[in-house]
Amino acid sequence: DAGVTQSPTHLIKTRGQQVTLRCSPISGHKSVSWYQQVLGQGPQFIFQYYEKEERGRGNFPDRFSARQFPNYSSELNVNALLLGDSALYLCASSGTASNYGYTFGSGTRLTVV
Amino acid sequence: RKEVEQDPGPFNVPEGATVAFNCTYSNSASQSFFWYRQDCRKEPKLLMSVYSSGNEDGRFTAQLNRASQYISLLIRDSKLSDSATYLCVVTLDSSYKLIFGSGTRLLVRP
Repeated sequence: DAGVTQSPTHLIKTRGQQVTLRCSPISGHKSVSWYQQVLGQGPQFIFQYYEKEERGRGNFPDRFSARQFPNYSSELNVNALLLGDSALYLCASSGTASNYGYTFGSGTRLTVV
Repeated sequence: RKEVEQDPGPFNVPEGATVAFNCTYSNSASQSFFWYRQDCRKEPKLLMSVYSSGNEDGRFTAQLNRASQYISLLIRDSKLSDSATYLCVVTLDSSYKLIFGSGTRLLVRP
């Protein structure tokens, strides 16, 4: 069975540009969460979606947005990119809205130049 | 003050050594506790949950002290393959948000 898949794996963008990251959860999982991991730090929570509804939002500016589709896949959008947005973006899926049984994808490494 | 604090290390130990990591959390309302392992440039993977009674999984033992708000991880008989960053994680309730520490790096040398 496929795990959590994220695309693209690597991305280089210029300051001010916009980026869309994609995540496909494990089959049957209805919850998707997004985390940002800056080098040398632990992952920071950005969003959680469950059954296509936003269930939680972390302390990130409005430049960050996300959505979940009927097939439970998800997109994370970041507008007006800043150098500080350079990070590993991780998607995690779970069968429920709880924090148990989360599986992380291998991430998208975003570099903003 | 960070919500979850860990010694960044690195801890450099020989194979076969016993090594312990501690983690402190600031919110006394924290409900669930975990240790995750993250290899270099890879995603975090759940190592074990942490219970108040303490729990063991092979060479790994986790302890929780709610009164002092700290969590520990003990690794016995270290293997080269244990080299990784160990992330302490707490949640405030049974919902969605995992709160990660910055991680403790372990290097096991031959």
